[in-house]
Order: sequence, then structure tokens, then C-alpha cells
Amino acid sequence: KAGVTQTPRYLIKTRGQQVTLSCSPISGHRSVSWYQQTPGQGLQFLFEYFSETQRNKGNFPGRFSGRQFSNSRSEMNVSTLELGDSALYLCASSQNAGVQETQYFGPGTRLLVL
Amino acid sequence: AQSVTQPDIHITVSEGASLELRCNYSYGATPYLFWYVQSPGQGLQLLLKYFSGDTLVQGIKGFEAEFKRSQSSFNLRKPSVHWSDAAEYFCAVGVAGGANNLFFGTGTRLTVIP
Repeated sequence: KAGVTQTPRYLIKTRGQQVTLSCSPISGHRSVSWYQQTPGQGLQFLFEYFSETQRNKGNFPGRFSGRQFSNSRSEMNVSTLELGDSALYLCASSQNAGVQETQYFGPGTRLLVL
Repeated sequence: AQSVTQPDIHITVSEGASLELRCNYSYGATPYLFWYVQSPGQGLQLLLKYFSGDTLVQGIKGFEAEFKRSQSSFNLRKPSVHWSDAAEYFCAVGVAGGANNLFFGTGTRLTVIP
């Protein structure tokens, strides 16, 4: 089975732009979660989607948004980029929702904001 | 609120030596505990998890962890380290009955010297 894939792998943007990142979960997985990883803040939960519904959201500003499609693929969008948004964005999928489910992480999208 | 502390930022061990990575958590009820490993340029891979039952948990790659409620700890151990174990290790806690989001520690970077 193919793992979690994220596109693009690397991205360079400038302040004020917006960006869309994509995540394709493992086949059959219905839950997708997003995390931001930075050297200063570590790994922080962004949001979780299950069956096209956002189940939970972390403590991030409204500039960060996401969605999930009927095929479970997910996108996250960051509008009005700031320098501090430079980070590795990780997507994780699990078969169902719930903390007991094993989350499988993708390799991440590294975003650099100049 | 739940939190995770990994007191060691960086650990260096010789190949073949034993390893113990420390993790302390703060959570009011019995937590769901995880250890993940991240190799450079990669996403996170689950090593093991604890939900309930036997407090000594076996994982992949020869790792094990022991849940000690009295010490609020979930330390990761390996009897003999291999050079390929060099990576960053993250302890995480999940909320029982909650959503998928995990709260991660700041990570411990492991260097293995030949």
C-alpha cells in the first residue's frame, strides 16, 4: 500500500502570498490531521478532518484553513503568509478518527516564506 | 492541560550501547502515550504506543517503553543501539475520547558514534 503523500515537497513563497498544500492519505483511511513543525515551537497540531468534516482545530489563526474531499484527500491553505509560517507541514492519516488510531505521517512539505 | 516534557535535547551513545530516552507527561487521566521517530527529511514513524494494560510496551526496531504512572513517565529504551537509530525521537500524548490531535514533546536528537 502506498504511504501518505504530500505535494509539493518544497515551496518558496513571499510574505503576503497564499499557499495550498495537498495531502493524499493511505488508501482506505478516512481521517487526516495536519501538523506544523518549527525549530522554535516544535510539532503543533493544526486541524483534523474526518469524512469531510473538521473535527478539531488547534490554536492557529484563521489564516490557516483546510478541507477534505470525498476521496479523503485533504488540502490546507495559508493566506497572507508571514515569515513565521516557514515550517515543515506534516500530514497524517488514520483509518478512523480517534486517538487510539495509528497515525501514519507523510514526508511533509517544507515551506519557506521570504 | 496536557503536556509532554523531553528533558534531553541531545544524546550521544556509542553503537552497541544501551539507550534510554526520557519522557514525562502531564495529564489528569490515563493518557494515550506514543513514541515516534523522525529521520532527516522524513515524516514521523510510530515506534510504539500505550493505551492500557501491561505497562511495558514492545515496539518496532527493538524498542520498548515503560509506563510509570507514579512518575508520570514513559521512557523509551533499547538494549543495543545501531548506527541506523540516529534520528530525532518524539514522545506524544493523546487525549482519551478526544480527537486525533497529539501533543508532542520537543524531541531528543540521538547521535550514534561508531
